[in-house]
Amino acid sequence: AQKVTQAQTEISVVEKEDVTLDCVYETRDTTYYLFWYKQPPSGELVFLIRRNSFDEQNEISGRYSWNFQKSTSSFNFTITASQVVDSAVYFCALSEVNYGGATNKLIFGTGTLLAVQP
Amino acid sequence: DVKVTQSSRYLVKRTGEKVFLECVQDMDHENMFWYRQDPGLGLRLIYFSYDVKMKEKGDIPEGYSVSREKKERFSLILESASTNQTSMYLCASSSPLDRVNTEAFFGQGTRLTVV
Repeated sequence: AQKVTQAQTEISVVEKEDVTLDCVYETRDTTYYLFWYKQPPSGELVFLIRRNSFDEQNEISGRYSWNFQKSTSSFNFTITASQVVDSAVYFCALSEVNYGGATNKLIFGTGTLLAVQP
Repeated sequence: DVKVTQSSRYLVKRTGEKVFLECVQDMDHENMFWYRQDPGLGLRLIYFSYDVKMKEKGDIPEGYSVSREKKERFSLILESASTNQTSMYLCASSSPLDRVNTEAFFGQGTRLTVV
């Protein structure tokens, strides 16, 4: 069955610390996509990154970086030099391919609440 | 600026009422989704639609129905609201996977309280 596990329910760090959010997934599909979303206190989910199953290159975007490892079915997210504005709930998600690729139903993990203290 | 708009931010309804949650997207997306978000459970898919008048059950469809008469609009219906349907409801839309950008865009959410 398709599943996404975010074992860390809450993480608290002090500003400028680095923090890694873990994501482990299970899927039968050979083609799939992985996503990270941020949900700030305002509530709206904000897209951060998408990765397809054929691209294991790590990605860096400013203070954010992602490490995708198919061998361990993990897609971890690191924030370098964290800031108070990074405080949010972060969700990892896996797309389930249906109808020949017509739809990309997302399966979400339970989220990790990150609190960055000043 | 791309938009997914949900009709209400906060809603309070009585047990047994029929409740309509509306969602409109302006990105010409084929796919639309309704999720509910509860503490400790993440986002769970209620229903989704990959085309006008097409709908598929998600993981927790019981007590809900949906309607998609036009491409841009996807409605979630609670036939007879119950207190265990008190939750945050999130609508999303996306393109099919063969497009360049396939991430889902989310609305701001509707916090529904059933009393």
